[in-house]
Amino acid sequence: EVLLQQSGAELVRPGSSVKISCKASGYTFTDYYMHWVKQRPEQGLVWIGRINPANGNTVYAEKFKSKATLTADKSSNTAYMQLSSLTSEDTATYFCTNWEYWGQGVMVTVSS
Amino acid sequence: DVVLTQTPPTLSATIGQSVSISCRSSQSLLHSNGNTYLNWLLQRPGQPPQLLIYLVSRLESGVPNRFSGSGSGTDFTLKISGVEAEDLGVYYCVQSTHAPYTFGAGTKLELK
Repeated sequence: EVLLQQSGAELVRPGSSVKISCKASGYTFTDYYMHWVKQRPEQGLVWIGRINPANGNTVYAEKFKSKATLTADKSSNTAYMQLSSLTSEDTATYFCTNWEYWGQGVMVTVSS
Repeated sequence: DVVLTQTPPTLSATIGQSVSISCRSSQSLLHSNGNTYLNWLLQRPGQPPQLLIYLVSRLESGVPNRFSGSGSGTDFTLKISGVEAEDLGVYYCVQSTHAPYTFGAGTKLELK
């Protein structure tokens, strides 16, 4: 069974950073790109970027190039996304997906 | 960036009714490799999105065959032949032909 298990909800302070994880199981981690998607409360889906876990190559949407950093650890089949300089605009649920399967999402709340 | 225009934004249906959702792209989604990377997703309330249709018309494993996708180039359609209660939620089209990948704004399917 394919599973993308994401880390738990985060409450973070404005100006700080947060790193969330996505552990893949049930398939060969390096065979598929991992994408990250943002969904603000009651809003639609926005593509952040993707990483090739086989070689670490990344592609970002322009608006996230200075906000998000994607990495992947082949030894643990885990993808990571770090979000920096957090503001209230970053309060959202963040999903990892290989397009066929989706993680359950991580709710990140930015509040003082 | 590719803009995907989904219509209608809201759809009211009775159980058993057949409905269609349109997704129009601002440019052709035909990739140079001959594939058209247009998927359809369903997001039920409080859940991550799930893949219904990939490559325009291919039914994801485990998805009921009342769902079907069609189209080419810039015009695509998702059809549900006989809505069931479990089909309620928000439907999104998403393209992964041209980076940055983009989603339609969503179509909310409600019970009439």
